[in-house]
Amino acid sequence: SQQGEEDPQALSIQEGENATMNCSYKTSINNLQWYRQNSGRGLVHLILIRSNEREKHSGRLRVTLDTSKKSSSLLITASRAADTASYFCATDEDMRFGAGTRLTVKP
Amino acid sequence: EAGVAQSPRYKIIEKRQSVAFWCNPISGHATLYWYQQILGQGPKLLIQFQNNGVVDDSQLPKDRFSAERLKGVDSTLKIQPAKLEDSAVYLCASSTRDSPLPETQYFGPGTRLLVL
Repeated sequence: SQQGEEDPQALSIQEGENATMNCSYKTSINNLQWYRQNSGRGLVHLILIRSNEREKHSGRLRVTLDTSKKSSSLLITASRAADTASYFCATDEDMRFGAGTRLTVKP
Repeated sequence: EAGVAQSPRYKIIEKRQSVAFWCNPISGHATLYWYQQILGQGPKLLIQFQNNGVVDDSQLPKDRFSAERLKGVDSTLKIQPAKLEDSAVYLCASSTRDSPLPETQYFGPGTRLLVL
């Protein structure tokens, strides 16, 4: 079964807007990671948040983690057309990915 | 440093034929993963190696799929015989406990397989 499940499945926004996507997981974790996949390419690691952290920033990315709800969110601020990609979460428990959120940023 | 290398990048075969994919991880990375990604879905872990030992192959269809990492470096994934539903991108990734983020996986570009 999937450990990380992302939602929404698809998200379409205008350039400059913020994009928020969510991830839910089932078991206790040590950390959770977010990855990006551009069409036809491999996944690229974006950010890792540990179970004792509640929020983490990296450039235009902000990740939050709520271990009581077993959920995480990824916020991309001031989105750009180049952010168009699929975004996946995975936990260290078994590194199994959900179906991802397909983000489209319109110029 | 060089990234994860995979070959071939594309492969078209007919059903019931055999096919093999090759992966060379980042130098020094002890852990190697093979994933299958069907169009529109997330990557599905097929097998995880730690050096030349198998850590997790619970989702590997062992009746037709096999993988090896004999010397603990590069790895091959084989499908024999292939079915139509094996059409997918096969991704290889590696990681190391020695990095600042040991849990981070570095992915190769993938091999796109089409079974006709």
